[in-house]
Amino acid sequence: GNSVTQMEGPVTLSEEAFLTINCTYTATGYPSLFWYVQYPGEGLQLLLKATKADDKGSNKGFEATYRKETTSFHLEKGSVQVSDSAVYFCALSDQGGSEKLVFGKGTKLTVNP
Amino acid sequence: DARVTQTPRDKVTEMGQEVTMRCQPILGHNTVFWYRQTMMQGLELLAYFRNRAPLDDSGMPKDRFSAEMPDATLATLKIQPSEPRDSAVYFCASGHGGPLNTEAFFGQGTRLTVV
Repeated sequence: GNSVTQMEGPVTLSEEAFLTINCTYTATGYPSLFWYVQYPGEGLQLLLKATKADDKGSNKGFEATYRKETTSFHLEKGSVQVSDSAVYFCALSDQGGSEKLVFGKGTKLTVNP
Repeated sequence: DARVTQTPRDKVTEMGQEVTMRCQPILGHNTVFWYRQTMMQGLELLAYFRNRAPLDDSGMPKDRFSAEMPDATLATLKIQPSEPRDSAVYFCASGHGGPLNTEAFFGQGTRLTVV
């Protein structure tokens, strides 16, 4: 079955540091890939997505590239802010955004001033 | 500002009691999901609906859980009887499948505590 593996946290960084959160997947066919973010006490919000190989999703300074050859979708940001502190989830779905999502375990990021 | 609305936000109940969680999806969305979040298991899909018909409820314990969509503006998740192991945050999400495919938009969740 489909599965997502992402690096375990927690991750603690200083403001303006570079962020990478690794995500790899196992799926049949050509899934769509997503990063969701969850702020404390809130639901999940879509951060970015990519629907085919070599696509780059980007939003709010975050980027991730769909790498079919390595089955990866690593999240990166060049300079994190305190407001980026949250839990980040990598996810996939078989057919775009409104089919069922399979999530990774989540990575908690804390950014200190 | 369209959003998915879940009620209640928090629920504390005693073991054996019935619990009903409600979700109002975004108007016009034809797909509704129920997810459960726990520290141990992370986010698990319980069930999802397309045009009010269940597409997949294989993640839901059938003996005590039931999910329905009485109409297009309301989805419910019931647990009867509730058990302490059901304590979790339950999220509803909605989206539009088909040609207008959109991502899933999540509600703020219902935090359930069964004592």
